[in-house]
Amino acid sequence: GNSVTQMEGPVTLSEEAFLTINCTYTATGYPSLFWYVQYPGEGLQLLLKATKADDKGSNKGFEATYRKETTSFHLEKGSVQVSDSAVYFCALFYNQGGKLIFGQGTELSVKP
Amino acid sequence: DTAVSQTPKYLVTQMGNDKSIKCEQNLGHDTMYWYKQDSKKFLKIMFSYNNKELIINETVPNRFSPKSPDKAHLNLHINSLELGDSAVYFCASSAEADRNEQYFGPGTRLTVT
Repeated sequence: GNSVTQMEGPVTLSEEAFLTINCTYTATGYPSLFWYVQYPGEGLQLLLKATKADDKGSNKGFEATYRKETTSFHLEKGSVQVSDSAVYFCALFYNQGGKLIFGQGTELSVKP
Repeated sequence: DTAVSQTPKYLVTQMGNDKSIKCEQNLGHDTMYWYKQDSKKFLKIMFSYNNKELIINETVPNRFSPKSPDKAHLNLHINSLELGDSAVYFCASSAEADRNEQYFGPGTRLTVT
C-alpha cells in the first residue's frame, strides 16, 4: 500500500543551523507530495508541495525536491530560526484515493 | 476570521458518555474531513464528505458518526466513549478541485477518563 516514512525526532538544532528532515514514500504511480507544519497548539498548515518528478516546492526558506528515482522528498532549510520549532509532516496524495497519507511527523526544536 | 473552526477546543469526559465535536468552515469549500491524531502525533483520516455526502470512511468503529447538515459544517458524534478515543481530532476542508490542499482547524483535544 501507499505509505510515508520520516526520520525520527526530535531534532534539536541551534539557530542558523542547516536543517534536513528526510522523507521517503512507497506508492504506485505518481502521487503529489507535501510538507505540512504544525506549530504548538495549532492545526496543520500546508508548507510546500510538488506535484511531479523533479519539481521543487519552496516556501518561507524551506525547500523540497520530488525525487522519483529515490522516492524521496526531503525538507531542507539553510538557516533555521527559533520560530521554526514545530512538528513537520510529510504527506502524499492520490487523486484516485482522494486522501492525504501522512508520515509520523518529525518534531523540530531550535534553540537560541 | 477563522477559516476552519472547531468547538470545543478541549473536551474531558468519562467512559461511556456520548459527545459531539463541531466543525465549520467559511472558505466556501465543498469537501470536509475528520482526522485523528494520537499521542505520538500520528495523523490518520477518519471520514471525508463532499457536498454533504460521505466519500471516505476509513476503518473506524461505528461508535463514530459524522453528520454534515450543509457543506460548511461537519460534526463528529461519538457514542459510548472509550479510553482509547483520547486524542486530538482535527477537522479540515478543501476545494473539490484541489483536495490535496487541505486547511485544518485548530483541533479538539478529547480526554476520556
